[in-house]
Amino acid sequence: GENVEQHPSTLSVQEGDSAVIKCTYSDSASNYFPWYKQELGKRPQLIIDIRSNVGEKKDQRIAVTLNKTAKHFSLHITETQPEDSAVYFCAATGNQFYFGTGTSLTVIP
Amino acid sequence: ETGVTQTPRHLVMGMTNKKSLKCEQHLGHNAMYWYKQSAKKPLELMFVYNFKEQTENNSVPSRFSPECPNSSHLFLHLHTLQPEDSALYLCASSQDLGQGGDTIYFGEGSWLTVV
Repeated sequence: GENVEQHPSTLSVQEGDSAVIKCTYSDSASNYFPWYKQELGKRPQLIIDIRSNVGEKKDQRIAVTLNKTAKHFSLHITETQPEDSAVYFCAATGNQFYFGTGTSLTVIP
Repeated sequence: ETGVTQTPRHLVMGMTNKKSLKCEQHLGHNAMYWYKQSAKKPLELMFVYNFKEQTENNSVPSRFSPECPNSSHLFLHLHTLQPEDSALYLCASSQDLGQGGDTIYFGEGSWLTVV
C-alpha cells in the first residue's frame, strides 16, 4: 500500500515569515493530494488540493507544489498569521486515502 | 458545517459500560470511515465502509464494533474499553474510496474519555 511521510512534525515561524511542509509518497498510482488543516479541538478541514496532472496550485497565501517524478509534494504558506497555527495533514489518494503524520505549526506573533 | 454530523460530541464512560457513537452524512456519499486521533498522534484509520460493506478493518480490537445500516449512517459500538482508548473519534465520508480526486470530509468528532 501507499506510505506517506510528512516533515517536519513541528514548525515554529515568526508572524509574516513563510512556512513549508513537505510530504513524500511511495505509490506512483496516487493521483490526488489534498491538504487538511486541523485547529485545536476541531475537525480536519480541506484547505487546498492538487491533482497529478498539475505541478502547482495557489490560493491566496497558500500554495501546493507536486513533483511526480520525485514523488513529493509541499505546502507553502506565505505571510503567516497567528490564525495559521494548527496541525496540517497531507494525504495521497489513489484507491484509498493515506494521511501523513501531521505537522504542528505555531506562528509566533 | 460539512454535512457530516457526529453525536455525542463528548462522552465519558467507565470501563464496563457499553456506549455507541453515531455518525450521519448528508452528502450522498458512498464511503464512510472511523478514525482515531490520540493526543499528539496522527490519524489512525479504524474502519472503512463502502456501500454499507466493510472494506477495511485496520487491526482494531474487538471492543470496538462498527455498524453501517445504510450509506448515510455509521455507528461505533464501544464495550469494555481501556483508558488508553480515550481519544477523539472522527467520522468521515467520501463519494467513493478516493478514486479520481475524491475528497474526504470529516465530522466534528466525538471526544471519548474512558475512566
